[in-house]
Amino acid sequence: DQQVKQNSPSLSVQEGRISILNCDYTNSMFDYFLWYKKYPAEGPTFLISISSIKDKNEDGRFTVFLNKSAKHLSLHIVPSQPGDSAVYFCAASFLNTGKLIFGQGTTLQVKP
Amino acid sequence: GAGVSQSPSNKVTEKGKDVELRCDPISGHTALYWYRQRLGQGLEFLIYFQGNSAPDKSGLPSDRFSAERTGESVSTLTIQRTQQEDSAVYLCASSLGLGTLGDTQYFGPGTRLTVL
Repeated sequence: DQQVKQNSPSLSVQEGRISILNCDYTNSMFDYFLWYKKYPAEGPTFLISISSIKDKNEDGRFTVFLNKSAKHLSLHIVPSQPGDSAVYFCAASFLNTGKLIFGQGTTLQVKP
Repeated sequence: GAGVSQSPSNKVTEKGKDVELRCDPISGHTALYWYRQRLGQGLEFLIYFQGNSAPDKSGLPSDRFSAERTGESVSTLTIQRTQQEDSAVYLCASSLGLGTLGDTQYFGPGTRLTVL
């Protein structure tokens, strides 16, 4: 039972353009959502999060949008840079439970 | 400051052998998590320690898997009688254990386990 899904295994964009990574979930009771970025041979690093009571959170070039009615969130990266090339995981959690439920990941390639 | 460290970085073992994977969390972090990532898949939650509370073992896939944590420091994940399907990258994370949105989990580099 895949509660968090990233249906696009890969995405390629040109440097300077917008990258949009998508994530769908099935459990409407999740309290918050996160995006992690992972380079090869390294552990995931936290990027940005959003509470279920909000619909947008922005941090520099990164913005996460949450559409609760559609059970969908997305990560926008503007402008994309070659150093953004990595695997991006979305994750969801319930407050006070600690554990994160991850999607399968999307590999982003930003071409110079 | 040091991040989360894991050892060994790579482990190759034969089917049926036992393995121990170690995690050193960030100092002061009361919460510690184990996940695994099989090839081409997302991270899968295994177990969660929070202070002195009973650990959340709901993600352990079988009774061959167990984990211990000494106080608020080192944790060891043990896999007994390893099977080929146990091959994965095992990731450890730690956090302050605040139970809030600000309680970011910081991950170690992982241990790549290969069961032949």
